[in-house]
Amino acid sequence: DAGVTQSPTHLIKTRGQQVTLRCSPKSGHDTVSWYQQALGQGPQFIFQYYEEEERQRGNFPDRFSGHQFPNYSSELNVNALLLGDSALYLCASSLDRAANSPLHFGNGTRLTVT
Amino acid sequence: DAKTTQPNSMESNEEEPVHLPCNHSTISGTDYIHWYRQLPSQGPEYVIHGLTSNVNNRMASLAIAEDRKSSTLILHRATLRDAAVYYCILRVLKTSYDKVIFGPGTSLSVIP
Repeated sequence: DAGVTQSPTHLIKTRGQQVTLRCSPKSGHDTVSWYQQALGQGPQFIFQYYEEEERQRGNFPDRFSGHQFPNYSSELNVNALLLGDSALYLCASSLDRAANSPLHFGNGTRLTVT
Repeated sequence: DAKTTQPNSMESNEEEPVHLPCNHSTISGTDYIHWYRQLPSQGPEYVIHGLTSNVNNRMASLAIAEDRKSSTLILHRATLRDAAVYYCILRVLKTSYDKVIFGPGTSLSVIP
């Protein structure tokens, strides 16, 4: 049973460009969350998607947007990249909104903005 | 937002038990306590979670204080593979709200 898969694993972009990161949730999971993890820090919540809609959002600007598809996979888009957007981007999936449902994380996409 | 506090780092000798503490004094009645760990170059991995009672699984045990303002993750016999950053988080679930807030976690070193 495949877990959460993210692509690409690494990405290098130039300041001002746009990037799209992809996530396939664990089989059977319907909720996808995205996190940004700077070096040496804990993951920071970006937003969560459920039933193809953004359900809630962390403290991130509108340059960060996302999408969830009918098969529950998800994309994270970042426009007008800044140097400070360099980080590990993590996708997590879960079965439903129950607080006793563990999050399953992918190994992330390492984004470097030059 | 619900917050947790953990020591920045801890050390343990291999094959000895490890007790990783976490304070969550602002926890509310419906918040679940989750523990995750993150090995280098990997995403966080679920370890264990609980609400009020102590919990055991194949990876670890979770001891929850009676007032729920603190908890302790117990690794019964530390191995070198347990060296990781351990995150204690509160899973806050309300109507249309399911948010997980990570702190900086505890970096566990295991000494051979």
